[in-house]
Amino acid sequence: GQNIDQPTEMTATEGAIVQINCTYQTSGFNGLFWYQQHAGEAPTFLSYNVLDGLEEKGRFSSFLSRSKGYSYLLLKELQMKDSASYLCAVMWFTGGGNKLTFGTGTQLKVEL
Amino acid sequence: DGGITQSPKYLFRKEGQNVTLSCEQNLNHDAMYWYRQDPGQGLRLIYYSQIVNDFQKGDIAEGYSVSREKKESFPLTVTSAQKNPTAFYLCASSMGHNEQFFGPGTRLTVL
Repeated sequence: GQNIDQPTEMTATEGAIVQINCTYQTSGFNGLFWYQQHAGEAPTFLSYNVLDGLEEKGRFSSFLSRSKGYSYLLLKELQMKDSASYLCAVMWFTGGGNKLTFGTGTQLKVEL
Repeated sequence: DGGITQSPKYLFRKEGQNVTLSCEQNLNHDAMYWYRQDPGQGLRLIYYSQIVNDFQKGDIAEGYSVSREKKESFPLTVTSAQKNPTAFYLCASSMGHNEQFFGPGTRLTVL
């Protein structure tokens, strides 16, 4: 089966940098996604990694190591609006097509 | 504007009743998905469809049914066989293995 682990909660200060880790075990790996979800709203796409290395997109960066089953999301220059849940999701290939399995999410609280 | 719509936003149902949640997309995406989210939990896959007239069970399909008669539409029926239906339901679509785009969700409450 698929197994994804990420911390339940994190707290950081406005203007700081925070790293949210995600570890996974899966077969048929076909990429890793990070989504942001504000309370009561739909998840919105942040990043996608399928090859090892760092992908940078503005204040957000995501890293992947396939051999270690490890990814992290890096948020720089934190703002209050970054307070949200961050979902790590692994895409894997099955006979029926590609499927996404989500972690339980990391609730990030940004404080003054 | 292209996107995914779900209706209604809030839905109340009496025990023993079936209810159908709507999901429509105009992104011309081939694949569509239904997820369920419970408080403090991640998304769990109910059903997914890669092409019209075909769909597959996800991890928690029991008590649910779907149809995919049109590319744009993927309605989900929550049947009376679903023992704990109160949850936040999210529909998504994607093109191939690209990112999934989510609709705004339907919050279902069983009274």
